[in-house]
Amino acid sequence: AQSVAQPEDQVNVAEGNPLTVKCTYSVSGNPYLFWYVQYPNRGLQFLLKYITGDNLVKGSYGFEAEFNKSQTSFHLKKPSALVSDSALYFCAVSLMTTDSWGKLQFGAGTQVVVTP
Amino acid sequence: NAGVTQTPKFRVLKTGQSMTLLCAQDMNHEYMYWYRQDPGMGLRLIHYSVGEGTTAKGEVPDGYNVSRLKKQNFLLGLESAAPSQTSVYFCATFSPGGRTDTQYFGPGTRLTVL
Repeated sequence: AQSVAQPEDQVNVAEGNPLTVKCTYSVSGNPYLFWYVQYPNRGLQFLLKYITGDNLVKGSYGFEAEFNKSQTSFHLKKPSALVSDSALYFCAVSLMTTDSWGKLQFGAGTQVVVTP
Repeated sequence: NAGVTQTPKFRVLKTGQSMTLLCAQDMNHEYMYWYRQDPGMGLRLIHYSVGEGTTAKGEVPDGYNVSRLKKQNFLLGLESAAPSQTSVYFCATFSPGGRTDTQYFGPGTRLTVL
């Protein structure tokens, strides 16, 4: 079975400061890891993914994430947060095996609030 | 190119009523999914389809049925709605090896069951 944990319900950060949203996962196999963002009353938008290769993944809107296999973590980061980054962020994992191809297991989500 | 669309956007039902949610995609993706989103629980998979004419159960399938008669459409049905099915429903599509190799989500349907 696979699972994803986002330990923080909400992250508060001042505009211009670094932003980190934490995610840890548990899978029996090699994970595909994703970050999505959801703005109010909208669907989910893809930010970035890790499949294999470089542990540091760069994505949309200046976001990046670091895959750490030993700590089973995939934290999302942005060096300088903007007020417009305020949204709900989801971490997700998939095994991409024949049985679970494309099926995502989501974390509970972390609300990011960036204050001016 | 509309991507993934969902109909309706909002709906209010009374307990026991039935309804069908429609997901349509113009990306020619084989895989389609229905999720529900509830506060503090992320998105949970209800049913999914790996191709026209196929469906399979996800994590929370009880109380829902689905059909994929055409490749571009994936229908989610509630035969007898219950207040516990009040949620926001998202459809998603997926194509292995696609540009981002990830799922594309529709805008959601907000359903309230009284």
